[in-house]
Amino acid sequence: EVQLVESGGDLVQPGGSLRLSCADSGFTFSSHSMNWVRQAPGKGLEWVSYISSSSTTIYYADSVKGRFTISRDNAKNSLYLQMNSLRDEDTAVYYCARGGDGADYWGQGTLVTVSS
Amino acid sequence: QAVLTQPSSLSASPGASASLTCTFLSGINVGTSRIYWYQQKPGSPPQYLLRYKSDSDKQQGSGVPSRFSGSKDASANAGILLISGLQSEDEADYYCMIWHSSAWVFGGGTKLTVL
Repeated sequence: EVQLVESGGDLVQPGGSLRLSCADSGFTFSSHSMNWVRQAPGKGLEWVSYISSSSTTIYYADSVKGRFTISRDNAKNSLYLQMNSLRDEDTAVYYCARGGDGADYWGQGTLVTVSS
Repeated sequence: QAVLTQPSSLSASPGASASLTCTFLSGINVGTSRIYWYQQKPGSPPQYLLRYKSDSDKQQGSGVPSRFSGSKDASANAGILLISGLQSEDEADYYCMIWHSSAWVFGGGTKLTVL
C-alpha cells in the first residue's frame, strides 16, 4: 500500500524557517517524481514544487521561488521542503504528492501556520 | 485571469449526471493538454480521479468507479468531468489540473452538492 506521511508543520513567526519531511513507503520511491502542494484554510489547491526522481529537474511556483527548496533522499525514501523567509500567506496545509504525470497519491498533510 | 476556471458550485440530484467544466485561458489549447481531476472531501486530502487527453490517452485512478469519466469540449476550450449516477458520497470539491509553463496549475475548484 502506498503511504506518504508528512511531518514538520508548526507555528512559526514571519521571517522564520521550517523544514517539512515526507516519508514514503509501499512503492519504489526512487522511480517517481514528487511534488509539494499546499492549501490555505478554506481555499483551493496550490502547487508549490516538483522534483524529478533523480533530483535533476526541479521547479517552483513563482510564489515560493527563492525562499523554498525541495530535495529528496532516495536512500531514505524521503522528500523534503526547506521553507525560509516565511510569510503570513504561506499558512496552509502542505501535502506531498507522488508523480510527474499528475499526482496519483497524496499524504494527509501537515499544517504550517505563520503568525506573530 | 486564471489559467483554469471552474464554476464555484454545482448542484444535482441523486441518480442524475453532473458535468463539471474546467475552462482554459484563451491561448492555451485544451486539445493538447492532459487534464487531471481530483476529488476532495472535507478534512481529507485530494484523491486522484482520472487523467484525460483523448479517448486513446486517458487513465482512471486506482479504484475509481467508471461512472467518473473525462472529456473535452474543444469549442468551449474546456475539459469536462462527467459523473453519472450521482450518489450522496459524490458530494465534494472537485479540482482540475494541467501542466503549463513548467508548473502544475489547478483550477479554483467546484463544490458539488448532491441533493
